[in-house]
Amino acid sequence: KNEVEQSPQNLTAQEGEFITINCSYSVGISALHWLQQHPGGGIVSLFMLSSGKKKHGRLIATINIQEKHSSLHITASHPRDSAVYICAVRENTGNQFYFGTGTSLTVIP
Amino acid sequence: NAGVMQNPRHLVRRRGQEARLRCSPMKGHSHVYWYRQLPEEGLKFMVYLQKENIIDESGMPKERFSAEFPKEGPSILRIQQVVRGDSAAYFCASSLSGTYYEQYFGPGTRLTVT
Repeated sequence: KNEVEQSPQNLTAQEGEFITINCSYSVGISALHWLQQHPGGGIVSLFMLSSGKKKHGRLIATINIQEKHSSLHITASHPRDSAVYICAVRENTGNQFYFGTGTSLTVIP
Repeated sequence: NAGVMQNPRHLVRRRGQEARLRCSPMKGHSHVYWYRQLPEEGLKFMVYLQKENIIDESGMPKERFSAEFPKEGPSILRIQQVVRGDSAAYFCASSLSGTYYEQYFGPGTRLTVT
């Protein structure tokens, strides 16, 4: 069983749609990260959060520590948002990181 | 304001050779993490280092793999006697400090073992 589960695995949306990607984890964590990996392979850190909610532009990330669940929302989606979105958690008992397998998002014009 | 740099970006090695991957963290960052992404798989944590110290290597294979982050110079991930299964993308990330600081990722090194 994976420590981090993401859903959906694949997502296709029309430009302008509101998108939600979900992440559930099974370990105690000190922080949760949302990462974006573009087709070329480069990885960008979008958010690091340990509680509540963060917003950056059209991106919003929320976390519910009690439910061990986080969501990444994209408002007014755009084709340039097409990428793989990865949820990662840092275990609170050490330095171990666990990664979800990613959600592949395609936004169609 | 250079970000995290990794070189080489692409590395081809024959089975049995050694691979050396380099990571230069962002300026002022003293913490480095190495991750591996196998084809069609997710990222896996390998090792966490501070300058001159290995903090956590629980994700490193027990044999053939080693990592260092010397006082001067880049962090090095070394793979001895490479095998086809080592073919993957290797990413490093750096942070200002430990647990509660954002990580910044390098562009990755794509290792192909022939």
